[in-house]
Amino acid sequence: AQKITQTQPGMFVQEKEAVTLDCTYDTSDPSYGLFWYKQPSSGEMIFLIYQGSYDQQNATEGRYSLNFQKARKSANLVISASQLGDSAMYFCAMRETATGANNLFFGTGTRLTVIP
Amino acid sequence: SAVISQKPSRDICQRGTSLTIQCQVDSQVTMMFWYRQQPGQSLTLIATANQGSEATYESGFVIDKFPISRPNLTFSTLTVSNMSPEDSSIYLCSVARTGNYEQYFGPGTRLTVT
Repeated sequence: AQKITQTQPGMFVQEKEAVTLDCTYDTSDPSYGLFWYKQPSSGEMIFLIYQGSYDQQNATEGRYSLNFQKARKSANLVISASQLGDSAMYFCAMRETATGANNLFFGTGTRLTVIP
Repeated sequence: SAVISQKPSRDICQRGTSLTIQCQVDSQVTMMFWYRQQPGQSLTLIATANQGSEATYESGFVIDKFPISRPNLTFSTLTVSNMSPEDSSIYLCSVARTGNYEQYFGPGTRLTVT
């Protein structure tokens, strides 16, 4: 079974509007972390935001917020006031703590295009 | 945070040859990982580079094909051996510290095998 599922291969958003990128996850580990990364065409992976499974509040980092719904096992990324520079691939990832491996499992990504 | 550099940033190699990719971090880190991203695909973990001991490989990846070194807490190398066109990918180094959730990636090495 896929540990991370991103069902939106591509998304379009008007500049200055908000957009939500979906991510669902599957784990039996009670302790885990959820990450979002941005990958522009240059190929680098830019860390955006993190949510721990025991965090009571949704994570926020500037224009990025993570809508964490634990019971539904979803961790959607919300980007507010979209900018042209937000056009990129976005990957959701999970780290399971119990295994001690510390590696990340990635989803297949969502390509976001911001329209002027 | 951590500043990570990779060399080379890109290369075009002939089938059957080998390429060694270097990953340098500006501060000591507990964990270093190597990922592969095939064209249009997501990231897949190749192995965890262990300081002073053999790397831990994921299913589908073997030491003979992807030998890894990690002589200290700031440096690691990944060699892609006996390359074929299927090895054309972006190879990314990633680092993390024990007890710290943050995980950062290097800029990647874009490899094309002809």
